[in-house]
Amino acid sequence: GQNIDQPTEMTATEGAIVQINCTYQTSGFNGLFWYQQHAGEAPTFLSYNVLDGLEEKGRFSSFLSRSKGYSYLLLKELQMKDSASALCAVLDSNYQLIWGAGTKLIIKP
Amino acid sequence: GAVVSQHPSWVICKSGTSVKIECRSLDFQATTMFWYRQFPKQSLMLMATSNEGSKATYEQGVEKDKFLINHASLTLSTLTVTSAHPEDSSFYICSARDLTVGDTEAFFGQGTRLTVV
Repeated sequence: GQNIDQPTEMTATEGAIVQINCTYQTSGFNGLFWYQQHAGEAPTFLSYNVLDGLEEKGRFSSFLSRSKGYSYLLLKELQMKDSASALCAVLDSNYQLIWGAGTKLIIKP
Repeated sequence: GAVVSQHPSWVICKSGTSVKIECRSLDFQATTMFWYRQFPKQSLMLMATSNEGSKATYEQGVEKDKFLINHASLTLSTLTVTSAHPEDSSFYICSARDLTVGDTEAFFGQGTRLTVV
């Protein structure tokens, strides 16, 4: 079966750095997405990785290792507005998005 | 990024009535539309995938006669929840992709909060 694993919840302090991990087992791989979802809102795109390595975009970075079936989302200089769920999703061989359950990120002052 | 407009943002309806949710791609052709349902504190659950001009493909456990999907044009897809019941209360989200140009990113509508009373 297809499976995406990520922690249910993480807590971090404002101004700090947090790394949210995602491991996956899917039938085929055509890329991995990270989305951010605030409570009551639709997901918004954060990053897309299809090749191994680190993609940096401002305060957000995303890393992918295809051989390990592993990705992480790194958020730096955390702000209170970063309190949201981070959703990991993999595009499988049929170009279908397989979603993780999401990691609820709690930022404390 | 591309814009997907979903309407309405929230709706309250009486049990037994039907509700239609619209999803429009404003600046690109959405060859494929996805409809998701999300219960509180849970991730997105794919309900169905629809391609323009053809019947939707429903995920296991989703009643196609209850959740009617129409994707008649490249810019509009609708989801109709028929004979709604309180257990259908949820957050419904559409997303669209243009697979003809190899788009991998899915663009999301704003979501519709449905409450059935």
